[in-house]
Parts: sequence; C-alpha cells; structure tokens
Amino acid sequence: QVQLVQSGAEVKKPGSSVKVSCKASGGTFSSYGISWVRQAPGQGLEWMGRIIPMLALANYAQKFQGRVTITADKSTSTAYMELSSLRSDDTAVYYCARGSVLTSLYDYWGQGTLVTVSS
Amino acid sequence: EIVLTQSPGTLSLSPGERATLSCRASQSISSNYLAWYQQRPGQAPRLLIYGASSRATGIPDRFSGSGSGTDFTLTISRLEPEDFAVYYCQQYGSSPTFGGGTKVEIK
Repeated sequence: QVQLVQSGAEVKKPGSSVKVSCKASGGTFSSYGISWVRQAPGQGLEWMGRIIPMLALANYAQKFQGRVTITADKSTSTAYMELSSLRSDDTAVYYCARGSVLTSLYDYWGQGTLVTVSS
Repeated sequence: EIVLTQSPGTLSLSPGERATLSCRASQSISSNYLAWYQQRPGQAPRLLIYGASSRATGIPDRFSGSGSGTDFTLTISRLEPEDFAVYYCQQYGSSPTFGGGTKVEIK
C-alpha cells in the first residue's frame, strides 16, 4: 500500500523559510514524480512544482520560481519542499502528491502540512 | 498557462439527485489530460476521474466524466451522503493547473 507521510505543522515568522518533508513507502520512489500542491484556508488547490527523483529533475510554477526548492533523497524515499521569504499569504496546507514521470496525475496524496506564517 | 473555470461555484442538491459539474479550459487540453478530484473537509483530494472519462481504482460507477477539447463534465448520477464535498478539475499536462472548485452541498 502506497503511503506519503508528511512532516508536522510549522509556525514561521515572515521572511523566514520552511522545509516540509514527504516520506514515501509501498512503491518505487524513483519511478514516479512527486509534486507539491498548496491550499490556502478556504481556497482552491495551487500547483507549486515537482521533482522526478530518478532524474533529480525539478520544475516549478512560475509564481514560485526563485522562492521554492524541491529536492529528493532516494536513499530514504523522501521528498522535500523548501519555501523561502515567507509572507502571511503563504499560510496554507501544503500537500505532496505522487504522479507519473510523464504527467502530474495524482493517485496518492500526503496528509498535508499546515504552515502558518505569523509575526 | 491553461486556466480552468468551474461552474457552478456551489450546487445545492438532495441525496438521490443528479449532480452535473462543468469545467471549461482557456485552451484545448491535449490528450484529454483532464482529471477530477473530490475533497472532503479536512482531507486530501482523492482522484475520481482521469483522461476525462476513466474512473480511478475503487471509484463507484455513479461517477462519470465526459468531454473533450475545452469543455468537460463530471456527473454524479445519484448523490449519496458521502458525495457532498468539493470537486476540482485539473489539467495534468506539463504545467498542471486546477479549477477553482465546485462545492456540492446538501439542500
């Protein structure tokens, strides 16, 4: 059974950075793509970027270019999303999700990590 | 970027009724790379439909998808209590995007 387990909730100050982890089990980590999708309170879903661990190749939504870094550690089947220069409107639940190498169709999702940005 | 517009924003229906949700794209979606997800409160989204009309594993047959090009529809033939939720469409090409969602609420 595939599972994506994310790290716990975070509270951060404006201007700081946050790093959220997503540990995969039950599948072949390197054979898939892992994306990060966020959801602000009461709002819709927003794609941030993804990584293909097999290729160590990441691409990002234009909105987050320069502020987000997605990495993966194949030895521990864990993906990471780091967001810098945090603002209050970055307060959201951040999800990791598994897609294929070719597409961002998500068959498995993490449980979500709430990141609160507040002074 | 492909913009997806979902309508209506909210659908108020009773259990047993039929729900019809729309998703319109700002440009044609190639290979019918259009998916639908269900999200219940406090939960992660769940994949329902991919390729515009194929049901994901374990999804009941009361859920069906149709459409091509720029216009897509999700139909729930008879609403069950657990179907009251928010539904999102997504195009899953190279730069994926989501629609704004349709909330299906109990009338």
